[in-house]
Amino acid sequence: NAGVTQTPKFRVLKTGQSMTLLCAQDMNHEYMYWYRQDPGMGLRLIHYSVGEGTTAKGEVPDGYNVSRLKKQNFLLGLESAAPSQTSVYFCASSGAGTPRDYTFGSGTRLTVV
Amino acid sequence: GQQLNQSPQSMFIQEGEDVSMNCTSSSIFNTWLWYKQDPGEGPVLLIALYKAGELTSNGRLTAQFGITRKDSFLNISASIPSDVGIYFCAGYNAGNNRKLIWGLGTSLAVNP
Repeated sequence: NAGVTQTPKFRVLKTGQSMTLLCAQDMNHEYMYWYRQDPGMGLRLIHYSVGEGTTAKGEVPDGYNVSRLKKQNFLLGLESAAPSQTSVYFCASSGAGTPRDYTFGSGTRLTVV
Repeated sequence: GQQLNQSPQSMFIQEGEDVSMNCTSSSIFNTWLWYKQDPGEGPVLLIALYKAGELTSNGRLTAQFGITRKDSFLNISASIPSDVGIYFCAGYNAGNNRKLIWGLGTSLAVNP
């Protein structure tokens, strides 16, 4: 049982380049989330999805887009990367029961130069 | 966005010492959760609390759901080197698209 899988684990981009981060979960969870983690700033919610085909903005959505075409996958896109988007990105998923099933992936470390 | 007040921000302790950290909020939560993040990994749930006044243990970890429902505490007894990491608190209320409200974390370093 893999849980939440994020790819890639590491990436270096040049300013202006685009990329997509993939999150896949095998727990049949309805809810999926993308966070970014920066030193001293905790976990900040970028976008989230409450089900297949839905997306919504979180706390820091600017510069990112997301898609949830399949229930098990949640994609995070950067159309034109900026150095301010250098961060560690975490995906999480949750079912419809108690929040104790909230499960995180192991993260993607992105550096924009 | 709303964030919880978590303290201390960091701790450096000797192996064998006990650790205490806490989280406070200006609003009430129905569930409090504590997570640990190991270096290079995502957060993993340690303890979930569902009832005001509840005291729950998980090995050397003990967490409490404050009576006012606006705070929670995590204690680690007899710390060991593998306790190193960042500890996060999170609050949850039903009906918020299952979004968690997070503290900024407590970074724990243990000197063997």
